[in-house]
Amino acid sequence: KQEVTQIPAALSVPEGENLVLNCSFTDSAIYNLQWFRQDPGKGLTSLLLIQSSQREQTSGRLNASLDKSSGRSTLYIAASQPGDSATYLCAVRGGTSYGKLTFGQGTILTVHP
Amino acid sequence: NAGVTQTPKFQVLKTGQSMTLQCAQDMNHEYMSWYRQDPGMGLRLIHYSVGAGITDQGEVPNGYNVSRSTTEDFPLRLLSAAPSQTSVYFCASSATTGAFYGYTFGSGTRLTVV
Repeated sequence: KQEVTQIPAALSVPEGENLVLNCSFTDSAIYNLQWFRQDPGKGLTSLLLIQSSQREQTSGRLNASLDKSSGRSTLYIAASQPGDSATYLCAVRGGTSYGKLTFGQGTILTVHP
Repeated sequence: NAGVTQTPKFQVLKTGQSMTLQCAQDMNHEYMSWYRQDPGMGLRLIHYSVGAGITDQGEVPNGYNVSRSTTEDFPLRLLSAAPSQTSVYFCASSATTGAFYGYTFGSGTRLTVV
C-alpha cells in the first residue's frame, strides 16, 4: 500500500525566505505526482504536476522536483510572501493513468510579514 | 468556467437521514472520485469511477453508494447518515488520455451530522 509522508508538518518563516517542502512515498511505481495548495475552508488548487518520466516542473516562484527511484519530491518556493500561507499537499498517482491518488498529511506554511 | 462543481456547499443532517451530494464536471474526464477530509486523517478515497457504468470502492466506502450513468455526473449517496460521516467531501476528476493527467478538485461540501 502506498504511503506518502510530508515533512515538516508545519513551517513558519519570515517574508522573503526561500523554502523547501519535502514529500516521500514508499512505492516508486507511480504515474505522476501532484502538488496542491489548500487555503483554510477551501478546496484544493493544483500547483504543479510531474509525470513519472520528468525530473522537475516550474511555475513562477514554484519549482517541484521528482526523484522516483528514491521516492522523493521537493517543492521549492522562492521569495516567500504572506499570500503563500496555506497547507501544501503532495499526492502520488498509482502506476497508470487510471491510478488512484494517495495524499500526504500536508505541510502548514505560515509566512510572516 | 470549466471544472468540477459540487452541490450543496454546506449541509446539516440528522442521524438516519439520507442525502445525495452532487458532482458534475464539464471536461469530459473519464475518471471521477470522491474523497473525504478529516482532521488528522488527511484525504481518503471513498469511491471512484473509471467511466460511465463503472464504479469501485476506495479506502472508506462503508455507508456510501455511488453510480455513474453519464460521463459528467458522479453523485455520492449517504444511505443513513451517522455522526462519523461528519466531514468535508471533495469530488475530483481526471483525464486518462491526452496531455494532462492531473486531478481537478471541486470546492467541497461541508457536511455535519447531528
